[in-house]
Amino acid sequence: ETGVTQTPRHLVMGMTNKKSLKCEQHLGHNAMYWYKQSAKKPLELMFVYNFKEQTENNSVPSRFSPECPNSSHLFLHLHTLQPEDSALYLCASSQDGGLAGDFQETQYFGPGTRLLVL
Amino acid sequence: GENVEQHPSTLSVQEGDSAVIKCTYSDSASNYFPWYKQELGKGPQLIIDIRSNVGEKKDQRIAVTLNKTAKHFSLHITETQPEDSAVYFCAATVANTGNQFYFGTGTSLTVIP
Repeated sequence: ETGVTQTPRHLVMGMTNKKSLKCEQHLGHNAMYWYKQSAKKPLELMFVYNFKEQTENNSVPSRFSPECPNSSHLFLHLHTLQPEDSALYLCASSQDGGLAGDFQETQYFGPGTRLLVL
Repeated sequence: GENVEQHPSTLSVQEGDSAVIKCTYSDSASNYFPWYKQELGKGPQLIIDIRSNVGEKKDQRIAVTLNKTAKHFSLHITETQPEDSAVYFCAATVANTGNQFYFGTGTSLTVIP
């Protein structure tokens, strides 16, 4: 395993529910990411945190709210989702956010949370 | 921004044969190209990567080649085995952009015993 864990692994929620996804990395990394994976589409980067500071927000609707209390934990708070938000949500981490130096750091992924919005 | 295209979308090979997956990218500034393998019910796992200062890298049955002039890179799997069956993703990233990875759409590889 990669050292990145996600809970829950599966989640079914109604459009009026509020839920949270949790990610934890045990690799000592400083950067963490949320991706959305839908069928037949490339992985979509949602949010990036470097040293607990959010550095990327790729036009994600406000019904998705990230939280990074420390470099090892990342949350994605969900509220009033739509059925089209059903997807696999992946968390990843890397040593840093690639802002320094010429080479990017490899990202390591968790197993994902399979979300179904009814 | 960067655009990564991946082909084919599905690939079936006989066990023992080779499999090749190709990706092209648009931004000549991209300098890091990882390949990920995703098995059913799991997240993507890094299997090999290449940086722009080399043209080829090999790790046992897996190899990756990079042609910077043509802006394409390929994954080669030799002596395929049933456990190689999975979805493979390529990615490209540009230096100093906050580690924004641009992924291909994936190739579903099936190795037929």
